[in-house]
Amino acid sequence: DGGITQSPKYLFRKEGQNVTLSCEQNLNHDAMYWYRQDPGQGLRLIYYSQIVNDFQKGDIAEGYSVSREKKESFPLTVTSAQKNPTAFYLCASSSRQGHNEQFFGPGTRLTVL
Amino acid sequence: SQQGEEDPQALSIQEGENATMNCSYKTSINNLQWYRQNSGRGLVHLILIRSNEREKHSGRLRVTLDTSKKSSSLLITASRAADTASYFCATEGSSNTGKLIFGQGTTLQVKP
Repeated sequence: DGGITQSPKYLFRKEGQNVTLSCEQNLNHDAMYWYRQDPGQGLRLIYYSQIVNDFQKGDIAEGYSVSREKKESFPLTVTSAQKNPTAFYLCASSSRQGHNEQFFGPGTRLTVL
Repeated sequence: SQQGEEDPQALSIQEGENATMNCSYKTSINNLQWYRQNSGRGLVHLILIRSNEREKHSGRLRVTLDTSKKSSSLLITASRAADTASYFCATEGSSNTGKLIFGQGTTLQVKP
C-alpha cells in the first residue's frame, strides 16, 4: 500500500524545545516538500529536497531545519528559534518525471504550550 | 510568497448546483494544479493543466486556463454534499524546480 505518512498526528511542545516531525514515503519519489498551513490560509513552503543529500530553503525556512539522508525520509525539526510554531504541517512528495503533481501526507498539528 | 489568489474565499450552494472557483496568478507558469482538502486532512490532487492547454475535464470537474489573463477556473458540476471541502490552486513556475505556490483557497459548502 503505497503512500506518504507523517507522525505524530498531534504534537505538543513547550516553549524553548526543539521537536522533530517525521515524514516517510514509499512511492519511490525523488522530491519531498514541507509546508506550513495556518488557519484559513494556503500552504507556505518551508524546505524542499529534489534528491537525497540535498535540500533548499523555501519561503519561510527561518527557525526550521531538515535532513535528507534517505530517499524515503525527510524529517523536519522545528527549533526554538521559530517564534510562532503553532500550525498544521504537511509533507508532500513528487516524482521528478511526469507532471510533478504532489502527494500529501495526513499532516501533523503542532501546538506550543 | 503567495502567487495565487482565489475567489471567492467561501462559497455555499445546494446539492445539485454547480460550483465555480477562480484563481489568479502573477508570473509565467509551467502548469497549474487544483487540490482539495477536507478539514484537518492532507491535500489531494484533483487535476493538472499545462500552460499550453486551455481546458481539461475529469469526471465532474472542468478546469480552464487563460494564460493571457493569468487566471484559471475550476467548475464542479452537479455538486454533492461530499464535495464540501477547501479547494486550492497551485502553480508550478517555468523554472522547472517542482516547487508549487499555493493560493489561499476557496471553502466550499454543499448543503444537502
